[in-house]
Amino acid sequence: EIVLTQSPGTLSLSPGERATLSCRASQSVGSSGLAWYQQKPGQPPRLLIYDASSRATGIPDRFSGSGSGTDFTLTIIRLEPEDFAVYYCQQYATSSWTFGQGTKVEVK
Amino acid sequence: EVQLVESGGGLVQPGGSLRLSCVVSGFTFSDYWMHWVRQTPGKGLVWVSRMNSDGSSTNYADSVRGRFTISRDNAKNTLYLQMNSLRADDTALYYCARRGAGGYFDLWGRGTLVTVSS
Repeated sequence: EIVLTQSPGTLSLSPGERATLSCRASQSVGSSGLAWYQQKPGQPPRLLIYDASSRATGIPDRFSGSGSGTDFTLTIIRLEPEDFAVYYCQQYATSSWTFGQGTKVEVK
Repeated sequence: EVQLVESGGGLVQPGGSLRLSCVVSGFTFSDYWMHWVRQTPGKGLVWVSRMNSDGSSTNYADSVRGRFTISRDNAKNTLYLQMNSLRADDTALYYCARRGAGGYFDLWGRGTLVTVSS
């Protein structure tokens, strides 16, 4: 099973600041087998980024993903009030899908 | 409207059974692989099971293999999860999710809560 480790656990930032979230895999997931999701309280996860760097339908361009192999990054270039949430990475390179433990982006 | 709606959760005693359902609308259900994912405050999001589009292939997480069975009825646009021999650590919010083109989960339901407790 591929273990995904996200860092930091919590990111305290102000609106307008840049957020950089990390996801590290215990073994390579290739160049495309990674997604990012956003989850707000009381809601299901929402797909933001797939194939490491492709934005899902309707996702603003302030969200971007990068990386390959074992190291991936989600960047939010200017935080909007609605962006404060928990973010999860997920790998789908194997038939045992796994998620990271999440990074909470909170208002500083 | 494209949506997934789960039901069937509730309170059950250890060793008991439940069957979850996920009714979909707004897209051609029979074209998509479907998954069950569960979430707890302590363990976060955990993949449980998946079934391919015609129901001929399944996968299960080690923690549920032999106890849970995924199935689908494409005529009824419904995905199921039969859960037997339930344990306290099966307590979670259970989501159904649609597999997107590349294997990621592009659509999620709002979940149904399963509580296993005496």
